[in-house]
Amino acid sequence: RKEVEQDPGPFNVPEGATVAFNCTYSNSASQSFFWYRQDCRKEPKLLMSVYSSGNEDGRFTAQLNRASQYISLLIRDSKLSDSATYLCVVNDNTPLVFGKGTRLSVIA
Amino acid sequence: DGGITQSPKYLFRKEGQNVTLSCEQNLNHDAMYWYRQDPGQGLRLIYYSQIVNDFQKGDIAEGYSVSREKKESFPLTVTSAQKNPTAFYLCASSPWTEGETQYFGPGTRLLVL
Repeated sequence: RKEVEQDPGPFNVPEGATVAFNCTYSNSASQSFFWYRQDCRKEPKLLMSVYSSGNEDGRFTAQLNRASQYISLLIRDSKLSDSATYLCVVNDNTPLVFGKGTRLSVIA
Repeated sequence: DGGITQSPKYLFRKEGQNVTLSCEQNLNHDAMYWYRQDPGQGLRLIYYSQIVNDFQKGDIAEGYSVSREKKESFPLTVTSAQKNPTAFYLCASSPWTEGETQYFGPGTRLLVL
């Protein structure tokens, strides 16, 4: 199966910081993209879908660059509660292909 | 209350024993999936099913078996052939429309005694 690559981190940032994660995918034919959040010892939960024009949901912004085959997630004004692992997910003609995740720790 | 349920939350397996993990969904989703997650690792696909009475192997199917007799249910059996079964097992479902996301159950932790 095709690959999805993420920097595993951890990213340790202070509260209020802005942090960005990138993810690259290998299948140029991939059609849809997602970011999931996984808390320690819990199941992954959908954070946001990534649309070709980019999309924003509060403090979170996702962008897609098809030419370079990467997806990004930007978190502004980080909160302690943002500490989690963020999974990049690509629709590779289903089932979805999951990256291994990037761990974020927001520090007070 | 719609969603995906998995049971049990923790399961202990003895050497040579088969164990079955339950996964039920009431979302009317066509597709269901089983993943395995090891500490600090990503999700690896074990099996998936697009419709009732049909399923396909994922990336790490050896030592596992599944059935899909009902749309709502997709149980996973970890057989004695799986030599390293200790992991976090996650079940997911999706509507099986291209581009649709997957929704996960709370998971089952399997430990070998």
